[in-house]
Amino acid sequence: QSALTQPASVSGSPGQSITISCTGTSSDIGGFNYVSWYQHHPGKAPKLMIYEVTNRPSGVSNRFSGSKSGNTASLTISGLQAEDEADYYCISYTSSNTVVFGGGTKLTVL
Amino acid sequence: EVQLLESGGGLVQPGGSLRLSCAASGFTFSSYAMSWVRQAPGKGLEWVSIVSVSGDTTYYADSVKGRFTISRDNSMNTLYLQMNSLRAEDTAIYYCAKEIATYGRGRLDYWGQGTLVTVSS
Repeated sequence: QSALTQPASVSGSPGQSITISCTGTSSDIGGFNYVSWYQHHPGKAPKLMIYEVTNRPSGVSNRFSGSKSGNTASLTISGLQAEDEADYYCISYTSSNTVVFGGGTKLTVL
Repeated sequence: EVQLLESGGGLVQPGGSLRLSCAASGFTFSSYAMSWVRQAPGKGLEWVSIVSVSGDTTYYADSVKGRFTISRDNSMNTLYLQMNSLRAEDTAIYYCAKEIATYGRGRLDYWGQGTLVTVSS
């Protein structure tokens, strides 16, 4: 159950777009379309932003989008806003019927 | 309104035990898989365990397998995590979370506010 690999940090200016990558293996990301993304502001409960690679829950801005290619999933945030500054985590279902998180990416809005 | 309220956290000595509870309301608890996720101080989120809707199927992270037991009482709308042989590295905020569907795939659409477990002598 090795953690998925995410960049430790990314940054962007308001209005710009950024992409956060999440790399796993054929036993997790590459084997299933069960990748989700969470936004986590310190001290608050994590929030589901994307599930099943590309789906947005009701109420989540369409500025957030997800994709996957091979063993790597990506979260793209367009039109960056100050309130997007948070930690972002990917998660994938695995061939062991478990779930594994990425290490998290700190997004800074400059 | 969906609500998940964790309780049972606190200070425990290494080797000790603790049982966490998560009281659910605002949805049909018995229709959704449920998970526990934790976050150690200064660290990222770590998935801990998941239980099926009936409670008869459970899975665990390697880090807690054999020490933690997840269970649920659908008549009481409550999720549990029995934690035994606790170690310092189990110190974390523990969140309960609801799956978006009947079966668990890491799609956690509602989370509690968390309960802090501190393992220290």
